[in-house]
Amino acid sequence: GDSVTQMEGPVTLSEEAFLTINCTYTATGYPSLFWYVQYPGEGLQLLLKATKADDKGSNKGFEATYRKETTSFHLEKGSVQVSDSAVYFCALSENTGFQKLVFGTGTRLLVSP
Amino acid sequence: KAGVTQTPRYLIKTRGQQVTLSCSPISGHRSVSWYQQTPGQGLQFLFEYFSETQRNKGNFPGRFSGRQFSNSRSEMNVSTLELGDSALYLCASSSLRSAQETQYFGPGTRLLVL
Repeated sequence: GDSVTQMEGPVTLSEEAFLTINCTYTATGYPSLFWYVQYPGEGLQLLLKATKADDKGSNKGFEATYRKETTSFHLEKGSVQVSDSAVYFCALSENTGFQKLVFGTGTRLLVSP
Repeated sequence: KAGVTQTPRYLIKTRGQQVTLSCSPISGHRSVSWYQQTPGQGLQFLFEYFSETQRNKGNFPGRFSGRQFSNSRSEMNVSTLELGDSALYLCASSSLRSAQETQYFGPGTRLLVL
């Protein structure tokens, strides 16, 4: 079945450092790919998405490119802030019309001043 | 536009009891999905409802059930609660205007089973 693999956390960075969180996927079809962020005590917020190969999703300085050849959707940000500290989830959804997300295990990001 | 709302936000129950959680989707969204989040199993899909019909179901026992009303509001029910049902239950809604639609999540209901 479909699956998403994320790098283990926590990822600990200093403010203004460069961030990469790796995400690879396995899917039978051509899924849409998502990054969601979860702040303490809250639900999930959509950070960005890409629906086809070579698409780049971006939001709030975060970027991720849908790489079909490597089945990857790595999250990057050029300069992190303390407020970016959260748990980040990579997810996929097969484009069948059924609304079922398959999530990775999540990567906790800790940014210190 | 108001986001997805879930009630209650917190619940404490004892083993063997049952519980009902409620979700109100974003206005105009007709698809509602439910997920369970636990430290051990992560985020897992429970089921999806569209037009009052369950379209898809995850790998959970029959104690987990749900329904959707004509106004798209949804409820999920867990009967005969077990300690392992302690989790954050998240509801998400989608407009389903296309197959690539985004799901928008509510704040969740945190259930503790004692």
